[in-house]
Amino acid sequence: SAVISQKPSRDICQRGTSLTIQCQVDSQVTMMFWYRQQPGQSLTLIATANQGSEATYESGFVIDKFPISRPNLTFSTLTVSNMSPEDSSIYLCSVDGDRGPNYGYTFGSGTRLTVV
Amino acid sequence: SQQGEEDPQALSIQEGENATMNCSYKTSINNLQWYRQNSGRGLVHLILIRSNEREKHSGRLRVTLDTSKKSSSLLITASRAADTASYFCATVDYGNNRLAFGKGNQVVVIP
Repeated sequence: SAVISQKPSRDICQRGTSLTIQCQVDSQVTMMFWYRQQPGQSLTLIATANQGSEATYESGFVIDKFPISRPNLTFSTLTVSNMSPEDSSIYLCSVDGDRGPNYGYTFGSGTRLTVV
Repeated sequence: SQQGEEDPQALSIQEGENATMNCSYKTSINNLQWYRQNSGRGLVHLILIRSNEREKHSGRLRVTLDTSKKSSSLLITASRAADTASYFCATVDYGNNRLAFGKGNQVVVIP
């Protein structure tokens, strides 16, 4: 299965600033997914990133707040813009299984963001 | 969007005991998966069961799926302290590759 390197692992940011999270995959993948996990909660899908096209955002998430880049098949970034304390969460990237959707997804180790 | 919903549980068990957790979902799924998360870090895939399967085993894990009730259970046998984690079920619907997660279960195994 794919291996994902996610950076940074954690950060403490001032409100009003932006943070860009990076995910590097050791193999080419078609789709990458970005999730948010608020404290004590489950994971919520933010958007799906395909190479060469605009990301597809889930209800409640907008591009201006969470711009995503997907310059190639092994890399993606998620930016959390104009941050407020409510953005304090763990952010995770993920890719689907090597053999299609019937196999498990691989996750990055997560970025723990605290906004003060 | 969230899909699978576990009965909100926080299990605290002794090492060697079995741990059972449940999950329910709402839509017509392609498959259901279980993941483990240690200390708010990345998730680790445990097991996948397809919609046409009723039971699956992997090591100390046993998962069942009842599509008529739209529910699943995960059993961890002979638990170990290292099994202490949060466990999430997640579903994949037909026609898309997106995982929809349930609320999660916190399991604490006491040595």
